Amino acid sequence: AQTVTQSQPEMSVQEAETVTLSCTYDTSESNYYLFWYKQPPSRQMILVIRQEAYKQQNATENRFSVNFQKAAKSFSLKISDSQLGDTAMYFCAFMKIKSSGDKLTFGTGTRLAVRP
Amino acid sequence: DAGVIQSPRHEVTEMGQEVTLRCKPISGHDYLFWYRQTMMRGLELLIYFNNNVPIDDSGMPEDRFSAKMPNASFSTLKIQPSEPRDSAVYFCASSFYSNQPQHFGDGTRLSIL
Repeated sequence: AQTVTQSQPEMSVQEAETVTLSCTYDTSESNYYLFWYKQPPSRQMILVIRQEAYKQQNATENRFSVNFQKAAKSFSLKISDSQLGDTAMYFCAFMKIKSSGDKLTFGTGTRLAVRP
Repeated sequence: DAGVIQSPRHEVTEMGQEVTLRCKPISGHDYLFWYRQTMMRGLELLIYFNNNVPIDDSGMPEDRFSAKMPNASFSTLKIQPSEPRDSAVYFCASSFYSNQPQHFGDGTRLSIL
């Protein structure tokens, strides 16, 4: 079974600064996907970024980028130029690649507060 | 395009009552997932469907829970009888294909008194 660990329950960052959220996972699979989802106080689950394990290049989406270290099973999220709207819970998630589809396995989340 | 639509957004009911949560996936998406979020257990998958067929229901907690997908545009999650420990936020998500990101609805916050 896969496990996803987010060791930082809470983090805080000053507006306009950069913050990195940590995520590690455990799997015996060689091919899989990793995701970061954001859950603001409105409760929505919003996809932030996706990384395919077979790709060496780190995914980037505007101010959001990841540091994917496959050998270390690490998948951290960097938020640059933090904005007040980035305040949310952030969940790291793992998904095996199966032809029949598979579930997301989520970490316990990191609550990020962006200070004005 | 409309996203995943869940109803109701909030549900408060008394223990023992039947509860039905509804979900309309994004049109064209072949996969539909039901997740439950609680403080104690975080986000956990209950069941998922592929082309309206249940694929994995190993996360359904007990026989009081049942899920159906009668067609490609509608799914229900039913709890009968409900118990206070069922109180949680229930999310529905859908994806186009097995390796595509899952898009979540806004969730239903369920409170069982």
